[in-house]
Amino acid sequence: DIQMTQSPSSLSASVGDRVTITCRASQSISNYLNWYQQKPGKAPKLLIYTASSLQTGVPSRFSGRGSGTDFTLTISSLQPEDSATYYCQQTYSPQTYSTPPWTFGQGTRVEIK
Amino acid sequence: EVQLLESGGDLVQPGGSLRLSCAASGFTFTSYAMSWVRQAPGKGLEWVSAISGSGGSTYYADSVKGRFAISRDNSKNMLYLQMKSLRAEDTAVYYCAKDVIVGGGRWFDPWGQGTLVTVSS
Repeated sequence: DIQMTQSPSSLSASVGDRVTITCRASQSISNYLNWYQQKPGKAPKLLIYTASSLQTGVPSRFSGRGSGTDFTLTISSLQPEDSATYYCQQTYSPQTYSTPPWTFGQGTRVEIK
Repeated sequence: EVQLLESGGDLVQPGGSLRLSCAASGFTFTSYAMSWVRQAPGKGLEWVSAISGSGGSTYYADSVKGRFAISRDNSKNMLYLQMKSLRAEDTAVYYCAKDVIVGGGRWFDPWGQGTLVTVSS
């Protein structure tokens, strides 16, 4: 199975700061990488799909980059409502259709100072 | 508006069984694969199972293979997860999610609000 490793596990930053979360895959996954945001007691919400495509309705301060094994999620100007845990997920497809298991990173908790 | 509403979570003894349901609305249910993802208390996300739109293909995580069965009733817009031989480590909030598949890419959007399964004596 493909392992996903996020760093850091947690971070604390001030409103307006630029924040970057890294996700590394144990093997190349092309651009089959998604990012989700989860607030306490709530379901995860899709932010970014296929590494860099912004989901409709998600603020433009969120962006994703990467390909192969290394990916980043960046919040360009941190807002109070961005306090949450962020997860990456791989849905790699060596064939026409992606095959499970579709593994998640362990999560990165973002707190506001 | 796409909505997913899970139900069926409960307290069950080790070795017991439980069936979770997910009611879908706001989209053409039969056109989409669906997944179950779980989250143990204070832990991260774990994909559990998926099923194709027709129901003809099913997939399972190794941790639940042989104990859980995913199914769907496209006439009722319902997704199910039949769980048996439950273990303490199956304790989690279980989410259903709509699988969006475009080209080779796949992502989960949206997710339901989740239902809590507690396995304890």
